[in-house]
Amino acid sequence: SQTIHQWPATLVQPVGSPLSLECTVEGTSNPNLYWYRQAAGRGLQLLFYSIGIDQISSEVPQNLSASRPQDRQFILSSKKLLLSDSGFYLCAWSVLRGPTSGANVLTFGAGSRLTVL
Amino acid sequence: AQSVTQLGSHVSVSEGALVLLRCNYSSSVPPYLFWYVQYPNQGLQLLLKYTSAATLVKGINGFEAEFKKSETSFHLTKPSAHMSDAAEYFCAVSVNRYSGGGADGLTFGKGTHLIIQP
Repeated sequence: SQTIHQWPATLVQPVGSPLSLECTVEGTSNPNLYWYRQAAGRGLQLLFYSIGIDQISSEVPQNLSASRPQDRQFILSSKKLLLSDSGFYLCAWSVLRGPTSGANVLTFGAGSRLTVL
Repeated sequence: AQSVTQLGSHVSVSEGALVLLRCNYSSSVPPYLFWYVQYPNQGLQLLLKYTSAATLVKGINGFEAEFKKSETSFHLTKPSAHMSDAAEYFCAVSVNRYSGGGADGLTFGKGTHLIIQP
């Protein structure tokens, strides 16, 4: 069966420090991968998605970047954190292939809570 | 572009009472619709999804939702609330824009916090 792992689960970082959140998926190959951010009262915001290695689409221009160095690994990074980067970051995967493949069902990881002080 | 509106950031019901969480969508093409549940400090878990096969969709934990095109709604219901239903619920929409580019993610509503009163 497929599983998705995110780490670290919690992180407290000072303003201006770098960030690296990691997500890996097991039990599937060539998944679509996603990074969402959940801030209080603002729902879930899609940050990045990827359909393959080194293929990253950014939905929101901001202080963050994403990379996919391996098929089942998705990394969220920042060179210098801002206070506004605080939030709950969720990684997700799906196997949608093509417009006739049905609904794009996302499966989420347990999340990483980032607090920037 | 598609969007989702969830009416009520907080809904409180008594244990055993009907649960009704409202979701309205906007989409220029036939959508896929989803309800997810999130327990504190956890990821999101899929409750149910609408894929045009049937307008009344049954999900896990006794929840169901009805797709009403004329009302652009996809409200979530459960006949009898249980204490374990207390959580955050998210409605989401997607349309497949897989035109050689990518598999777009879901667009989520802002969530509804369901509170169960004993």
